[in-house]
Amino acid sequence: EVQLVESGGGLIQPGGSLRLSCSASGFTVSSSSYMSWVRQTPGKGLEWVSVISSGGSSYSADSVKGRFTISRDNSKNTLSLQMDNLRAEDTAVYYCATSLRTRFDNWGQGTLVTVSS
Amino acid sequence: QSALTQPRSVSGSPGQSVTISCTGTSSDVGTYKYVSWYQQHPGKAPKLMIYDVSKRPSGVPDRFSGSKSGNTASLTISGLQAEDEADYHCCSYSSSYTSVVFGGGTKLTVL
Repeated sequence: EVQLVESGGGLIQPGGSLRLSCSASGFTVSSSSYMSWVRQTPGKGLEWVSVISSGGSSYSADSVKGRFTISRDNSKNTLSLQMDNLRAEDTAVYYCATSLRTRFDNWGQGTLVTVSS
Repeated sequence: QSALTQPRSVSGSPGQSVTISCTGTSSDVGTYKYVSWYQQHPGKAPKLMIYDVSKRPSGVPDRFSGSKSGNTASLTISGLQAEDEADYHCCSYSSSYTSVVFGGGTKLTVL
């Protein structure tokens, strides 16, 4: 059974950094075509954040480009999201998911990031 | 403001059918066949219900169906059941927003 478990969320001041992790089981992240981060502002809609391919190519939404970096650690079977220069508008629940284009098959339970002074 | 427009809420009685619309532009829904739909119960992660406009993943009841016409995609749920009450989000590939865009979500109430 595929399972994804996010961790690393918390309260952080504006301008700070945070690193989210997504531990995978039931499959290997190296074999998954793509893996993504999607976030959800409390009470609002979903927003795609970043995606990484099995070959290591990555793409990010304009709203986080230059501040967020997605990466994969095949030895730990983990997906990560390094978030720098955080802003209040980055406050959200962050989900990791296996993905192919707009098909997000498996999701974690999410981790809450709150950016506030 | 989300890139794709969905009604804030829809409702229906058990056994009825409801359709949720998702309106985009020629840069996303109108051009690409990569439209998906997600069901989300309160406090839970989204669940894939439809992908590539009209395909159902294994385990999703055939009461759920998807379609597209022009710049608008639709999710139809027939034979409404109490457990269908949830938020529904549409998603499309977009050439304007780097990759993927979502709608603002629609709250489905089963009366």
